Amino acid sequence: DQQVKQNSPSLSVQEGRISILNCDYTNSMFDYFLWYKKYPAEGPTFLISISSIKDKNEDGRFTVFLNKSAKHLSLHIVPSQPGDSAVYFCAAWDNQGGKLIFGQGTELSVKP
Amino acid sequence: EPEVTQTPSHQVTQMGQEVILRCVPISNHLYFYWYRQILGQKVEFLVSFYNNEISEKSEIFDDQFSVERPDGSNFTLKIRSTKLEDSAMYFCASSEMLPLAGAYFGAGTRLSVL
Repeated sequence: DQQVKQNSPSLSVQEGRISILNCDYTNSMFDYFLWYKKYPAEGPTFLISISSIKDKNEDGRFTVFLNKSAKHLSLHIVPSQPGDSAVYFCAAWDNQGGKLIFGQGTELSVKP
Repeated sequence: EPEVTQTPSHQVTQMGQEVILRCVPISNHLYFYWYRQILGQKVEFLVSFYNNEISEKSEIFDDQFSVERPDGSNFTLKIRSTKLEDSAMYFCASSEMLPLAGAYFGAGTRLSVL
């Protein structure tokens, strides 16, 4: 039962262009979402979050969009840089269970 | 920058042996978690811990698993009798409160069960 889904296991983008990573969720009770970035041999690192009372949150090159009616969120990285190459995890905060539920991850490769 | 530290970075053990994975969460954090990632799969929730007791656990966290905060600074995960399928990266995480700024994760312990 995958409550948080990232349907694209990988994405390749040219340096300087926009990277768009997508995430879908099934539980309408989720009201807080986070994106984590993970490099090999390291733990996930918090990147950006969004509350369900907003539809957009921006932090530098990173913007997260939330469409509650579609139960969909996306992470935009503009402009993409080679150092952004990593696995990106979408996560939803399960307030009832008191835990983060992760998607499967999308491996982003930014080519120079 | 505060960080969550985990030891050892790599643990090799024989099937049936007990292992203890150690974590030092960020000092003012109140919520503690263990997650694991089997190679090539997603990061899976194991257990959350608050106020010196388990607040939530997944179906993976069966009787072979236990957690402890023995001395107010360490947070340990014990696997009593390891199985081959326990081989994974185990991540410890902590957060100050509900993860409004995101839980902080350690670098992980790679557990290899032979």
